[in-house]
Amino acid sequence: DQQVKQNSPSLSVQEGRISILNCDYTNSMFDYFLWYKKYPAEGPTFLISISSIKDKNEDGRFTVFLNKSAKHLSLHIVPSQPGDSAVYFCAASALIQGAQKLVFGQGTRLTINP
Amino acid sequence: DTEVTQTPKHLVMGMTNKKSLKCEQHMGHRAMYWYKQKAKKPPELMFVYSYEKLSINESVPSRFSPECPNSSLLNLHLHALQPEDSALYLCASSLRGRFSTDTQYFGPGTRLTVL
Repeated sequence: DQQVKQNSPSLSVQEGRISILNCDYTNSMFDYFLWYKKYPAEGPTFLISISSIKDKNEDGRFTVFLNKSAKHLSLHIVPSQPGDSAVYFCAASALIQGAQKLVFGQGTRLTINP
Repeated sequence: DTEVTQTPKHLVMGMTNKKSLKCEQHMGHRAMYWYKQKAKKPPELMFVYSYEKLSINESVPSRFSPECPNSSLLNLHLHALQPEDSALYLCASSLRGRFSTDTQYFGPGTRLTVL
């Protein structure tokens, strides 16, 4: 039972255009959401997060949108750059027994074409 | 500074060996985590330590034994592993310990191969 889903395994975008990565979740207990960028054989690098009490958070070229009623979040990257090519994971957080549990989506491989 | 360090970077072990993975952070974070990531899969939570106490064990087999000697250090002791345990083992930490959600910062991982 996948609680966090990223339905697009891959996405290809032209340099300079907008990249939009999507994520859906099923568990209403999730109250904090994060996006990570990952290269092979490396640890995930934190990009941006959003609390469930907000619907938008911006940090430079990265913006995350949260639609709680639809249980959907998206990451926008504008403008896309070749260095953005990586696998992007959406993660959702819930408190279990007082401790934080992160559940990750399957990831989307983003390729930025020059 | 959001650095989490992990040693060794690579580890090859036989099924009868005993080895340990080490994770360190000096950011004053009070929660530390172990994750396992298989190829082309997302990271999966194994253990959570909060204020040096084990808070979550995701039904991990006893051949994996975590230890948190102090607030900066997290170990994962390995014994009698199986080839299917080969994976990237990731450590993470977050600032607040209990009853709060927070950003987790990951180390570079240890690539484990069990022969």
